[in-house]
Amino acid sequence: DIQMTQSPSTLSASVGDRVTITCRASQSIGKWLAWYQQKPGKAPNLLISKASTLENGVPSRFSGSGSGTEFTLTISSLQPDDFATYYCQQCSYSPWTFGQGTKVEIK
Amino acid sequence: EVQLVESGGGLVQPGRSLRLSCVVSGFRFDDYAMHWVRLTPRKGLEWVSRITYNGGDTDYADSVEGRFTISRDNAKNSLYLQMNSLRPEDTALYYCAKSHSSGGRDYFDYWGQGTLVTVSS
Repeated sequence: DIQMTQSPSTLSASVGDRVTITCRASQSIGKWLAWYQQKPGKAPNLLISKASTLENGVPSRFSGSGSGTEFTLTISSLQPDDFATYYCQQCSYSPWTFGQGTKVEIK
Repeated sequence: EVQLVESGGGLVQPGRSLRLSCVVSGFRFDDYAMHWVRLTPRKGLEWVSRITYNGGDTDYADSVEGRFTISRDNAKNSLYLQMNSLRPEDTALYYCAKSHSSGGRDYFDYWGQGTLVTVSS
């Protein structure tokens, strides 16, 4: 199985900060990586697919990059609505696996 | 508007069974693979199972292989998860999730709100 490792597990930041979350795969997955945002009591929301494709309706302050085994999710200017948990997911091979999540908290 | 509505969760004793359902609307159900994904405080999101658009192929996480069975009824726009021999570690919020494709390199573009399964004596 492909292991997905996210860092950091928790991130404390302020409104307006630039935030970067890293996701590493245990083997190459090309660009087959998705990012999700999840808020308490809500379903996950797809933000980015294929490593860097922003989904419809997702603010442009979110961006994704990377390929192979290393990927990043960047929020260029953190907004109050962005405090949430973020997950990466490899979609290259079954079993589809998620990172353990990164909780973005208010500093 | 795409909607996925899960049901069937509840409190169940270890070793017993439960059947989850997910009714969908707002898209052509028989064009897409469907998945079950669960959320726990300890592990976060964990993929559970997938079924391809026509039910011809299924996949399972090792943790549920042999105990859970995924199925679908395209005439009823419905997805199911039969869960047998339940264990306390199966306690989770179970989501029904739509794949972006008919079945291949899958990511999940729509999710339900989840149904809670608690396995405890």
